[in-house]
Amino acid sequence: NAGVTQTPKFQVLKTGQSMTLQCAQDMNHEYMSWYRQDPGMGLRLIHYSVGAGITDQGEVPNGYNVSRSTTEDFPLRLLSAAPSQTSVYFCASRRTGAITDTQYFGPGTRLTVL
Amino acid sequence: AQSVTQLGSHVSVSEGALVLLRCNYSSSVPPYLFWYVQYPNQGLQLLLKYTSAATLVKGINDFEAEFKKSETSFHLTKPSAHMSDAAEYFCAVSDRETGRRALTFGSGTRLQVQP
Repeated sequence: NAGVTQTPKFQVLKTGQSMTLQCAQDMNHEYMSWYRQDPGMGLRLIHYSVGAGITDQGEVPNGYNVSRSTTEDFPLRLLSAAPSQTSVYFCASRRTGAITDTQYFGPGTRLTVL
Repeated sequence: AQSVTQLGSHVSVSEGALVLLRCNYSSSVPPYLFWYVQYPNQGLQLLLKYTSAATLVKGINDFEAEFKKSETSFHLTKPSAHMSDAAEYFCAVSDRETGRRALTFGSGTRLQVQP
């Protein structure tokens, strides 16, 4: 199993550009989520999905879109990048929606918006 | 809203010394609690979790944590630090109020181990 994979590892954007961060898992997990990590703030939930075709907003959803057309993939779209979106982005998955299930994290995407 | 406070953004210990990383939570419903470790340039890895069974929880790499309801704490300890323990550690509490079934993370504690 590759686990949770994320691409790209690094990305530099100009203000106003759009892009998609890719996330895939090969563990047949129902629940997937996106977090952003900023210094001194821990991880904050952006969007999450409890299964294919079902997504919902997290704590900081503004400026981001997600879709879940398959169980395996959960891409995060930045519609019009802003410097405030400079961050490290982590995708995570777990087997079910049960909070006690172990959550597995990808290696992260480091995004810089100029 | 549920929240987690990690006291001390940086902790430095000598190799072989006791490691103590502090975590306090606020929650209006009985929480589930987690400790994650993040090694440089990697994602987060689960160390241990409390899910309302035993209050003393043992995790990987000889880490353990004790849930103390009276103190609303879930401090992480390890009897003897190793150089390989240098990393950032995050305490997290389950979000059982909003239905998101997500985790709320603390701001993290960076552990430095001196030779």
